[in-house]
Amino acid sequence: AQSVTQLGSHVSVSEGALVLLRCNYSSSVPPYLFWYVQYPNQGLQLLLKYTSAATLVKGINGFEAEFKKSETSFHLTKPSAHMSDAAEYFCAVTRGGGYQKVTFGTGTKLQVIP
Amino acid sequence: DVKVTQSSRYLVKRTGEKVFLECVQDMDHENMFWYRQDPGLGLRLIYFSYDVKMKEKGDIPEGYSVSREKKERFSLILESASTNQTSMYLCASTPRGGAGNSPLHFGNGTRLTVT
Repeated sequence: AQSVTQLGSHVSVSEGALVLLRCNYSSSVPPYLFWYVQYPNQGLQLLLKYTSAATLVKGINGFEAEFKKSETSFHLTKPSAHMSDAAEYFCAVTRGGGYQKVTFGTGTKLQVIP
Repeated sequence: DVKVTQSSRYLVKRTGEKVFLECVQDMDHENMFWYRQDPGLGLRLIYFSYDVKMKEKGDIPEGYSVSREKKERFSLILESASTNQTSMYLCASTPRGGAGNSPLHFGNGTRLTVT
């Protein structure tokens, strides 16, 4: 079985401050991990994904995430928040090798305060 | 770019009605998915399809059915809509090879209200 826990359903940061969104996973096999972003009234789009090639993964819009096996974590960070980063962020996990089931976290809404 | 198009952004239906949600993708993807999104619950998989006429139940298939008669189109059917099916419905697709090898490409969603 696989599962994802996102700590904090709402996170507020000031513009220019560090963004840290937390994600912990459980998986019985080495996982594939994703971060997706959802802007208001839109579907989800991929921010970045981890597939075991490198533990530090860079994504779009200046976001990055680090895979830490010992902590079963895949936290999302951005050094300096922009107003345009306000959105909902979802962490997701799946098993590789053709397996289709993707398990999503419950999401974290990021508010950026001017 | 992959485009996944959901035919309606907003739908309002009455309890007991049969409801069809349509999804079309233009990138020849083999795999298509229907998710339901509710606040605090994230996305939950209703059904997915890995080929024409093939379907698999997801985590919450009760009250739903699906149809995939053509590769590019995947329909979600609510046989008799109920108020607890009021939600945001998201369609997604990926190419063959598994959801681990390729990210999900999502449509913009259909917000369904059942009154």
